[in-house]
Amino acid sequence: NAGVMQNPRHLVRRRGQEARLRCSPMKGHSHVYWYRQLPEEGLKFMVYLQKENIIDESGMPKERFSAEFPKEGPSILRIQQVVRGDSAAYFCASSPQEANTGELFFGEGSRLTVL
Amino acid sequence: KQEVTQIPAALSVPEGENLVLNCSFTDSAIYNLQWLRQDPGKGLTSLLLIQSSQREQTSGRLNASLDKSSGRSTLYIAASQPGDSATYLCAVSYGGATNKLIFGTGTLLAVQP
Repeated sequence: NAGVMQNPRHLVRRRGQEARLRCSPMKGHSHVYWYRQLPEEGLKFMVYLQKENIIDESGMPKERFSAEFPKEGPSILRIQQVVRGDSAAYFCASSPQEANTGELFFGEGSRLTVL
Repeated sequence: KQEVTQIPAALSVPEGENLVLNCSFTDSAIYNLQWLRQDPGKGLTSLLLIQSSQREQTSGRLNASLDKSSGRSTLYIAASQPGDSATYLCAVSYGGATNKLIFGTGTLLAVQP
């Protein structure tokens, strides 16, 4: 039973380019969370999605950031026109549909570097 | 504002020592609290999950306690080993429709052989 899979693990972009980060939740999990860890800071909640629905995006920057979790395929966090301040580790976590004890299972993260 | 604070920020101990990591949270109406471990360049591994109705959880050499009324949790690591070296994160959830986690900034632990 594979864990939460994120790719790419490392991504380098120049300012103004687009970054796409993918997350495949654990088998049987239909809830996905994205968290961001800025250098020297703690992890901060960005967005919570269920299949085809954004449930809570209160942690997402108002511009340039978007997330989706389609019926088929991985969840995608998209950052348009990246800036240096977007450089961070982006973690995805999933949880099962039923018996939500609150425990999340995290991927190994995608580390974005903006030059 | 719901905040989580961890002290100390960093800790270095010789192998074999018992140690305690501290976590405090400003809003005591938590749903649950987790202790997680983060290794450099790696993901996060959940160590212990304590529901709001529980006082402690144990797993091997790890014991986490929760005092909800005072807004505190401790992670006790017995007989520390070099392999325990990592950043330890405390995170709380307030339940609700999102059940998102609010993280502390972590304690960086180094266990010297």
